[in-house]
Amino acid sequence: QKEVEQNSGPLSVPEGAIASLNCTYSDRGSQSFFWYRQYSGKSPELIMSIYSNGDKEDGRFTAQLNKASQYVSLLIRDSQPSDSATYLCAVGGDTGRRALTFGSGTRLQVQP
Amino acid sequence: DGGITQSPKYLFRKEGQNVTLSCEQNLNHDAMYWYRQDPGQGLRLIYYSQIVNDFQKGDIAEGYSVSREKKESFPLTVTSAQKNPTAFYLCASTRAYRGGSNYGYTFGSGTRLTVV
Repeated sequence: QKEVEQNSGPLSVPEGAIASLNCTYSDRGSQSFFWYRQYSGKSPELIMSIYSNGDKEDGRFTAQLNKASQYVSLLIRDSQPSDSATYLCAVGGDTGRRALTFGSGTRLQVQP
Repeated sequence: DGGITQSPKYLFRKEGQNVTLSCEQNLNHDAMYWYRQDPGQGLRLIYYSQIVNDFQKGDIAEGYSVSREKKESFPLTVTSAQKNPTAFYLCASTRAYRGGSNYGYTFGSGTRLTVV
């Protein structure tokens, strides 16, 4: 079975610091990669998508993809207490299954 | 505003009872999905549908059933065969899978199901 692995955390960072969240995946044929933010008791919200090797920046968020290492990461610059949430990595795009596979998420705590 | 609506928000099921969770979208998305989330866990795929009148089993389809009679609607029935149904159920939709890439999902607000 295809797997997506994340450190469950919690990852604790001070306000204003850079938070770095990591994800590895098992299916080498994966083509699409997503980061979702989920606040407690709420549904996930898409914050970043990345399809090609390298970096993709959107505001305070940067997604990084390395397909050779089967590794995708999310950097959050100038972390704010409102960034405290669980971040889910999702992977998809292989030929056999047209649905995303999610990791179990990393809980981020930003300390004021 | 376009979006995806799940109802009810909270649902209580008695032992041996079937219940149906509603999911409706007005985003004109072709693909719809049902996931289950248990406390502290990621999302596990139950069923998905890429087109009307067609759907596929996910990783944990046993004890669940779906239908896709309209593009906008993808209801999930939790049957009495599902022995541990207490969970947070999430419906999602997206544009159709194209050229080897998935698109990001839009999620509904979820239904929290509890067995009583």
